[in-house]
Parts: sequence; structure tokens; C-alpha cells
Amino acid sequence: KAGVTQTPRYLIKTRGQQVTLSCSPISGHRSVSWYQQTPGQGLQFLFEYFSETQRNKGNFPGRFSGRQFSNSRSEMNVSTLELGDSALYLCASFDVSWGSYEQYFGPGTRLTVT
Amino acid sequence: DAKTTQPTSMDCAEGRAANLPCNHSTISGNEYVYWYRQIHSQGPQYIIHGLKNNETNEMASLIITEDRKSSTLILPHATLRDTAVYYCIVRAGNQFYFGTGTSLTVIP
Repeated sequence: KAGVTQTPRYLIKTRGQQVTLSCSPISGHRSVSWYQQTPGQGLQFLFEYFSETQRNKGNFPGRFSGRQFSNSRSEMNVSTLELGDSALYLCASFDVSWGSYEQYFGPGTRLTVT
Repeated sequence: DAKTTQPTSMDCAEGRAANLPCNHSTISGNEYVYWYRQIHSQGPQYIIHGLKNNETNEMASLIITEDRKSSTLILPHATLRDTAVYYCIVRAGNQFYFGTGTSLTVIP
């Protein structure tokens, strides 16, 4: 099976702009989670989607949003970008049906806000 | 809020066992312990997980104390390619709580 893919891999944006990141989970996985990783804060949970519904949300402002499509692909959006949003954004998928909850991570999207 | 505490860094000689400790003193009875590692800003890679019994797979062993307040990941024969940041994680429902991780350096 192909792994989790994320596009784009690198992105440079300016403060105040918005950005959309995409994640394609492993085929058959219906759960997708998003994480933000920064040197200061480490890996922080953003939100998790399952069957097009947001099931969990981390402690991030409303500028961070996401959605999941019927084919399980997911997007996250950050509006009104701030310098502090510069980070590696990771997407992970897992197959709940087997009960293992083993998350598979994608390579991440490196976002730089200038 | 991270639910785990790990040492910031550790060294291990190549070929020796690497023992990485983790404290999760507030873990609940139905929360799993997972271990992932991350090599130089790649996506984290799953290693192993357990609930209360010790677990072993082709990569590592996981030893969980009887009171479940701490665990140890054991890499039996560390190689240079095991140099990475190792995260001990508690899974509560569908949410994974990552700590700050241990940076393991395997020394030739």
C-alpha cells in the first residue's frame, strides 16, 4: 500500500495570507489526524477526522480548520497567517477497524511564514 | 497537555541495548502507551504499543511496570540508524498526546 502523502512538501507564505494543506491517507484508512510541530512546542495535536466528521480538536485558535472528504482525503486551512504558524504540519492516518490505532504519518508540509 | 515525561537526551554505544524510560504517572486504565521515533524532521514512525503487558516486535521491546506509571522502550542492539528522537505517547480514545521526546544518539 502507498503511504500517507502530503502536499505540498514545502510552502512559503506571507503574514496575513491563508494556506491549505492536503493529506491523502493510506487506502482504507478512514481516520486522519493533523499535528503541528515546532521546535519550541514539539508535536501538538490539531484535530482528527473520521468519516468526514471532526471527532477531536486540540487547543488551537479558530484560524485553524480542517475537513475530510468522502474519499477520506483531508485538508487543513490556516487563515490570517502569523509568523508563529511556521512549522512542520504532519498528517497521520489509521485504520480503526482493526482496533490497533497504529498511526501512520506522512512526511509533513514545511510551512514558512514571512 | 503532554501526559508523559522523558529524559531530553541519551547516548548509547553501537551494538549495545538502548533503554529509553518514560513516566506516565497519570495514565488511566484504558489508555495505551505508544512509542514512535522521528528521524530528522521526517514523519514519526511507529515502533510499538501496549496496555499493561510487556510487548515485543521485530524492532523493540516495551516493558510496562505493573502500576503502569512508567515504561521502558528497549532497542536490543542499537545501530547508527537508530539515532532519532523517541516519543512516548499516551493514547486517550482517538487522541495521541506526544511528549517532548528523548533524543537518542548512537555512538560508533
